[in-house]
Amino acid sequence: EIVLTQSPATLSLSPGERATLSCRASQSVSSFLAWYQQKPGQAPRLLIYDASNRATGIPARFSGSGSGTDFTLTISSLEPEDFAVYYCQQRTNWPPITFGQGTRLDFK
Amino acid sequence: QVQLQESGPGLVKPSETLSLTCTVSGASVSGGSYYWSWIRQTPGKGLEWIAYLYYTGSTTYNPSVKSRVTISLDMSKNQFSLTLSSVIAADTALYYCARGNLALRAFDVWGPGTMVAVSS
Repeated sequence: EIVLTQSPATLSLSPGERATLSCRASQSVSSFLAWYQQKPGQAPRLLIYDASNRATGIPARFSGSGSGTDFTLTISSLEPEDFAVYYCQQRTNWPPITFGQGTRLDFK
Repeated sequence: QVQLQESGPGLVKPSETLSLTCTVSGASVSGGSYYWSWIRQTPGKGLEWIAYLYYTGSTTYNPSVKSRVTISLDMSKNQFSLTLSSVIAADTALYYCARGNLALRAFDVWGPGTMVAVSS
């Protein structure tokens, strides 16, 4: 099973700042990594697929990068609605499909 | 607009069988570009993928629950379902149904989720 480790667990920033979230895989997942955003009381929403492709309707301030075992989600300038929990997910070597444990993005 | 909606009992007794249904609107479960999944979420384990179903009937399960789980499709109702037998307290979770997009290798549409508690 591929384990995805996200860091940091919590990131405290202010609107307008740049956010950098990390996801590390226990073995290579090539570029087959997705990122999701989850707000309280809501289901996760797909942001990024195949490491760097924005899903439909996702603002350009969200970008993804990386390949192999190290991946980054960057939010270039935080908007108030971006404060949420973010998860990475792989579907390379499965079953099982696995998710990271999440990074909580909090207001500073 | 594609929408998924979970339904099922909010409370199940230990050792009994949990049954959940996901009703799909705005898309056909027999479409070949997608697969249909169940995912659950708990505070302790986070997001856990449970099972995957393709319209051909092909299924794949998480080894952690494989011996207890079945996912099935009802094309006439445009629904898919999950049954989890011999439930224990650790099966208490928020259960989501989700559409997997084969091209994106990701889940692009999710239901709002349904909370299931296992308790006597």
